[in-house]
Amino acid sequence: ELKVEQNPLFLSMQEGKNYTIYCNYSTTSDRLYWYRQDPGKSLESLFVLLSNGAVKQEGRLMASLDTKARLSTLHITAAVHDLSATYFCAVDEYGNKLVFGAGTILRVKS
Amino acid sequence: DTEVTQTPKHLVMGMTNKKSLKCEQHMGHRAMYWYKQKAKKPPELMFVYSYEKLSINESVPSRFSPECPNSSLLNLHLHALQPEDSALYLCASSPGGGGRNTEAFFGQGTRLTVV
Repeated sequence: ELKVEQNPLFLSMQEGKNYTIYCNYSTTSDRLYWYRQDPGKSLESLFVLLSNGAVKQEGRLMASLDTKARLSTLHITAAVHDLSATYFCAVDEYGNKLVFGAGTILRVKS
Repeated sequence: DTEVTQTPKHLVMGMTNKKSLKCEQHMGHRAMYWYKQKAKKPPELMFVYSYEKLSINESVPSRFSPECPNSSLLNLHLHALQPEDSALYLCASSPGGGGRNTEAFFGQGTRLTVV
């Protein structure tokens, strides 16, 4: 059974600082997704990572995938308040469904 | 059209009521999903439809009954719910098919309160 672990679960950051969220998973998969969720809202797709070594960047966020280590990272550069949200990684299980991590609550303080 | 549309946005129902949640997508996606999300938790998969057939039921109680009338529509029929079923119900779709594309596009959700 595929298990997905995210850490940290809560991250309080100062504006302008850098940090990384980690997503580890337990079985082989080559498809991983990052989503953002604002309070009371639905999930918004951020990144689709489809192969080993994939790196995607959008603004202050950069995601990468290492399928051999079963690890994805979401790196935040020079955080701003607008990035405050909950971030989920989700891993494809046999092309049938996504298994979600517990989520990382990010709070950026000015 | 890259949207998944859910109705209603909010629903309050009594424990003896019967209600339905509706979901629609026009992206030609072949897989559709129902998720339940409690506060501060990740989405929890309930059902998966692939090519309009139920392919995964994650041991969901029978008081939740899914239906896929056609490739664009997904319903979730609710009957005799309990207060602990109060949650955000999310519908999602993904391209699916032979390419195994599971990138899920989520609707805005239905906030359900059972009283």
